[in-house]
Amino acid sequence: EDQVTQSPEALRLQEGESSSLNCSYTVSGLRGLFWYRQDPGKGPEFLFTLYSAGEEKEKERLKATLTKKESFLHITAPKPEDSATYLCAVQGWPDGGGGADGLTFGKGTHLIIQP
Amino acid sequence: SQTIHQWPATLVQPVGSPLSLECTVEGTSNPNLYWYRQAAGRGLQLLFYSVGIGQISSEVPQNLSASRPQDRQFILSSKKLLLSDSGFYLCAWGRQGMPQYFGPGTRLLVL
Repeated sequence: EDQVTQSPEALRLQEGESSSLNCSYTVSGLRGLFWYRQDPGKGPEFLFTLYSAGEEKEKERLKATLTKKESFLHITAPKPEDSATYLCAVQGWPDGGGGADGLTFGKGTHLIIQP
Repeated sequence: SQTIHQWPATLVQPVGSPLSLECTVEGTSNPNLYWYRQAAGRGLQLLFYSVGIGQISSEVPQNLSASRPQDRQFILSSKKLLLSDSGFYLCAWGRQGMPQYFGPGTRLLVL
């Protein structure tokens, strides 16, 4: 069974204070790892897909990295508008469980950036 | 570009009443469609997925059901709601090995 654990559950930073969010996963065969941003009362918004260890993706102040056991979402010099819950999800191959195409999500990291 | 719609946005229903939530996708054909539920303090849980019209797979035993009457329409239903059915219901579309894109969600409160 695929599993995703995100840490910390909540993180409060000052504006401009860089940090990293962690996503640890177990999956029999990784088809993809996905990062999403979710604002209160809204659906998750897709950020990045990572497919293999060593891969990195960047978008504005966010950078996602992937190893064989975990992924990090690095946030550099964050601004208050970066405040949101960040979700990590994995998709394994069909015989790894979790449905033919479904994503297995972590519980998310609630990030607050104070001005 | 692709757009995904869900309605209603919010719903308050008594225990034992029926449920019908609708999801439609625009701008793509033959998408894979998914229903997830997000409960407080828990991650998103996959409920149903569909790879084509009339093809529904269930991930979690429950009193909910799903149907796909048209290529870009996905419906979540229940004959009798339970208190435990309360939550935030999200529809998503995607393709194998690709990201899934989520709709705005429906907030369901069962009283």
